[in-house]
Amino acid sequence: DADVTQTPRNRITKTGKRIMLECSQTKGHDRMYWYRQDPGLGLRLIYYSFDVKDINKGEISDGYSVSRQAQAKFSLSLESAIPNQTALYFCATSGTGSSYEQYFGPGTRLTVT
Amino acid sequence: GQSLEQPSEVTAVEGAIVQINCTYQTSGFYGLSWYQQHDGGAPTFLSYNALDGLEETGRFSSFLSRSDSYGYLLLQELQMKDSASYFCALPGGNTGKLIFGQGTTLQVKP
Repeated sequence: DADVTQTPRNRITKTGKRIMLECSQTKGHDRMYWYRQDPGLGLRLIYYSFDVKDINKGEISDGYSVSRQAQAKFSLSLESAIPNQTALYFCATSGTGSSYEQYFGPGTRLTVT
Repeated sequence: GQSLEQPSEVTAVEGAIVQINCTYQTSGFYGLSWYQQHDGGAPTFLSYNALDGLEETGRFSSFLSRSDSYGYLLLQELQMKDSASYFCALPGGNTGKLIFGQGTTLQVKP
């Protein structure tokens, strides 16, 4: 089984809808991250969490919210989806003190029409 | 802030050696990481340099010069499966952030 899993893998939704992307990990890591990737661009950090009680905004948090339900679970929500949130979303984890080495999930391809 | 620059595309032939450069700007330096991403796939960690010099891992090596704010990834004995995007990234120390460059697409030709 994969260490970092994401659901759904693909999602098409309409403008204005609320959508949640979920991430689970079995690596036992404390740190979890959400990134988005647009064609031809690198990954941009949306939110990150050091533990269940510690959640931080990344570079592009506007329009997104997160919830860390447990050490192993970190979900990303789009409260009211808009077309420019169409992107590939990745969840990642890392051990404490080793953010330089992150383990990524397979990604969720989200299309907002 | 932090920023990284890499070439957008590199092409090489199978069996050759290719170097992918990365220059960076940052106020606090905590090392330089490299990731590989095949088309449609997840990024995977390749290497990390905290100190100046060369780190070797099989066919891949990564180099860092902190005085020049510069690093590179060296891929030897290129194989077709090395065709992918390669990203350099700056860890943010205790912030836990990882800031990625825009990536270099490597095309390996027969």
